[in-house]
Amino acid sequence: RKEVEQDPGPFNVPEGATVAFNCTYSNSASQSFFWYRQDCRKEPKLLMSVYSSGNEDGRFTAQLNRASQYISLLIRDSKLSDSATYLCVVNRGGSYIPTFGRGTSLIVHP
Amino acid sequence: EAQVTQNPRYLITVTGKKLTVTCSQNMNHEYMSWYRQDPGLGLRQIYYSMNVEVTDKGDVPEGYKVSRKEKRNFPLILESPSPNQTSLYFCASSSLAGGGDTQYFGPGTRLTVL
Repeated sequence: RKEVEQDPGPFNVPEGATVAFNCTYSNSASQSFFWYRQDCRKEPKLLMSVYSSGNEDGRFTAQLNRASQYISLLIRDSKLSDSATYLCVVNRGGSYIPTFGRGTSLIVHP
Repeated sequence: EAQVTQNPRYLITVTGKKLTVTCSQNMNHEYMSWYRQDPGLGLRQIYYSMNVEVTDKGDVPEGYKVSRKEKRNFPLILESPSPNQTSLYFCASSSLAGGGDTQYFGPGTRLTVL
């Protein structure tokens, strides 16, 4: 099993739709979790951190399920500008080295 | 403005010709790292540095060298580039080690080795 796995997609959704991505991780000792956004061939940028209690930022909600070892990202009311690749990042248990998932591609169409 | 800069942004070179990609950050971050990104493989860490004079291998260090003589700079050195090192390279920094805090990425360097 890969350390961090994501469905590569693409997820093709209409504007206004709600879409959810999951990311599974293999190391149960992992402590820090993040979602990054990457536009085509540009640098990744932090979208949000994922806390044990879950967190919400506007239309975006991130949740952590330690028992099943996955994190999720929910995007409500999708906009055209949400089209991007979403990268899941998990730090390796016992170290501070981050592991990136391969990303999930989202395409929002009119 | 807080930023990570990389130079050059684009580079085409030939096999065996040594090259250096510079990375500099102005946020006084202790942690810096280099990644390469290839289609279908995602971001893979090449080397990282926890502080000045402290560097360690990531997942794909073969064919690369780094140095950390100053806190702000973390150059990536390809002593003898080969075509399989053709890739998009990102430098990143963070205030706490690795995944403990937000990583800030440079704009990327697109390298082609002929």
